[in-house]
Amino acid sequence: DVKVTQSSRYLVKRTGEKVFLECVQDMDHENMFWYRQDPGLGLRLIYFSYDVKMKEKGDIPEGYSVSREKKERFSLILESASTNQTSMYLCASSPRTGPRAFFGQGTRLTVV
Amino acid sequence: DQQVKQNSPSLSVQEGRISILNCDYTNSMFDYFLWYKKYPAEGPTFLISISSIKDKNEDGRFTVFLNKSAKHLSLHIVPSQPGDSAVYFCAAISLKGNNRLAFGKGNQVVVIP
Repeated sequence: DVKVTQSSRYLVKRTGEKVFLECVQDMDHENMFWYRQDPGLGLRLIYFSYDVKMKEKGDIPEGYSVSREKKERFSLILESASTNQTSMYLCASSPRTGPRAFFGQGTRLTVV
Repeated sequence: DQQVKQNSPSLSVQEGRISILNCDYTNSMFDYFLWYKKYPAEGPTFLISISSIKDKNEDGRFTVFLNKSAKHLSLHIVPSQPGDSAVYFCAAISLKGNNRLAFGKGNQVVVIP
């Protein structure tokens, strides 16, 4: 069974901390994505990656960066966490030809 | 600018009846349309998809209808079950473009036993 695994289900961090969210997929997918989900705003794309060491900004990249050193792993970095980054973060992967994306279980991040 | 729109944020339906979720899009270059289901504190799971060259796709209790001229699709769930209570996201993708899914804001469905 295909799997996208996010390193934490729940995370509480302090304002100003550097936060790392890790995501690993076992499907040899080329594409990987980071979304955040907020009530009434749906799923908003933060960053995505087509290949190792490649990254593209999504719709809301401010305050975030990403790293993809290996094909199976895509990391989201909050450089200096702020309370408005409290959210549900979702990682996804898809094959180069699409169309279906597979999601991880999500990380509920609270910044206090 | 939102390319995929889901109006009527929430829907309540009696168990056994039909649930109909609607989705509108603006980009005529989309190749595929997908529906995802999401429970609280879990990631979205794929439900059903339809190619832009088709007008209907059915999988068990779930049917998706596509009206390209109206840039509109709908998801029908028949019969609705309590386990269908979730948030449903409509998504679309252009495989000739940047291969990223554009999502709507979601519809909350509550199925009343």
